[in-house]
Amino acid sequence: QQQVRQSPQSLTVWEGETAILNCSYENSAFDYFPWYQQFPGEGPALLISILSVSNKKEDGRFTIFFNKREKKLSLHIADSQPGDSATYFCAARYQGGSAKLIFGEGTKLTVSS
Amino acid sequence: GPKVLQIPSHQIIDMGQMVTLNCDPVSNHLYFYWYKQILGQQMEFLVNFYNGKVMEKSKLFKDQFSVERPDGSYFTLKIQPTALEDSAVYFCASSLEGYEQYFGPGTRLTVL
Repeated sequence: QQQVRQSPQSLTVWEGETAILNCSYENSAFDYFPWYQQFPGEGPALLISILSVSNKKEDGRFTIFFNKREKKLSLHIADSQPGDSATYFCAARYQGGSAKLIFGEGTKLTVSS
Repeated sequence: GPKVLQIPSHQIIDMGQMVTLNCDPVSNHLYFYWYKQILGQQMEFLVNFYNGKVMEKSKLFKDQFSVERPDGSYFTLKIQPTALEDSAVYFCASSLEGYEQYFGPGTRLTVL
């Protein structure tokens, strides 16, 4: 049973456009949602994260929008650059649990110039 | 961001042998994790470790797996004996308070 789902599986945008990556979850007990960026052959790098008490988090060109009622969140990458081409993973952490992360399947983003 | 190191980057062994994967977590972090990733798919949680003890392990953490961090040195994942299905990339992560987890570059394990 997939507890964290991501869509689309792959996404291509033009340089300068805003890429929108979607994530949904099932368990109301999740309280923390990080997004990770992973390049081929490397480990995932923490990009930006949000707590379930917030509905928006911005960090430069990266913004998370969070809708607790619908159990959905999205990562917006503004002014996309070719260097943003990577796989992005949404993850979720159980409130009060052992701090393990449950990952989605990832969205492979390609930014064309 | 904070750096987690993993040694070795690649390991090839024969089925049935023992392997130890080493992780050098961020120095002041308290929580340590191992995750498994197959062929660029999603990361799957194996185990986490805090205050010298395993806090939680998943069903992927078979009896042949063990973890330890003796005297604040490397955080290790040992597999004994290895099986073909253990071939994957293993990522170590650490965090200070159980929220922001920082991952290492991974160890690619190939079991022949």
